[in-house]
Amino acid sequence: DAKTTQPNSMESNEEEPVHLPCNHSTISGTDYIHWYRQLPSQGPEYVIHGLTSNVNNRMASLAIAEDRKSSTLILHRATLRDAAVYYCILRSQGGSEKLVFGKGTKLTVNP
Amino acid sequence: ETGVTQTPRHLVMGMTNKKSLKCEQHLGHNAMYWYKQSAKKPLELMFVYNFKEQTENNSVPSRFSPECPNSSHLFLHLHTLQPEDSALYLCASSQDRAGSYNEQFFGPGTRLTVL
Repeated sequence: DAKTTQPNSMESNEEEPVHLPCNHSTISGTDYIHWYRQLPSQGPEYVIHGLTSNVNNRMASLAIAEDRKSSTLILHRATLRDAAVYYCILRSQGGSEKLVFGKGTKLTVNP
Repeated sequence: ETGVTQTPRHLVMGMTNKKSLKCEQHLGHNAMYWYKQSAKKPLELMFVYNFKEQTENNSVPSRFSPECPNSSHLFLHLHTLQPEDSALYLCASSQDRAGSYNEQFFGPGTRLTVL
């Protein structure tokens, strides 16, 4: 599986936007970009995924660079509940169902 | 109950004990997974089951023995564990529809301590 690189930690203030970056310079044409997050004392939960175009859902937006070598997860207005470890994961279309987790980015949201 | 449930939530066992972790999903999914999350390490996939058949074993030691009697239930049988096996064990499930993205739903995990 292609590798992703994320900052170890980031901080944000409540009600401000947060941009969580992910580099994936070895991404292949069939790799989808997935984001999961893990709140304290819980299992991970799905956030969003995309292939080439930017994606929006009720939780977040995903901005994908034109060359697909990087992407950014955008939380439009951070809340205290968004404090979590965010994982950027690549998974090949039609490939194994498994997710390969890295260390992720620990997001701290300040009140 | 909805989603993915795991029991027990906490378990303390000695190295000579035998215990089992249970996972149940109420989502009608066909694929189930065991992951291990050790302190300060990324989540590691252990086993994958599709339609009750094991499709992946990620070089897991034989002291961990999975069992999937049906698509809704997944067990992890533990025996003669080592202290370094202490970790959070997470179960997940997904629909496993061919040709479409199958989001994984995780349970809350079992916090295992091996003394």
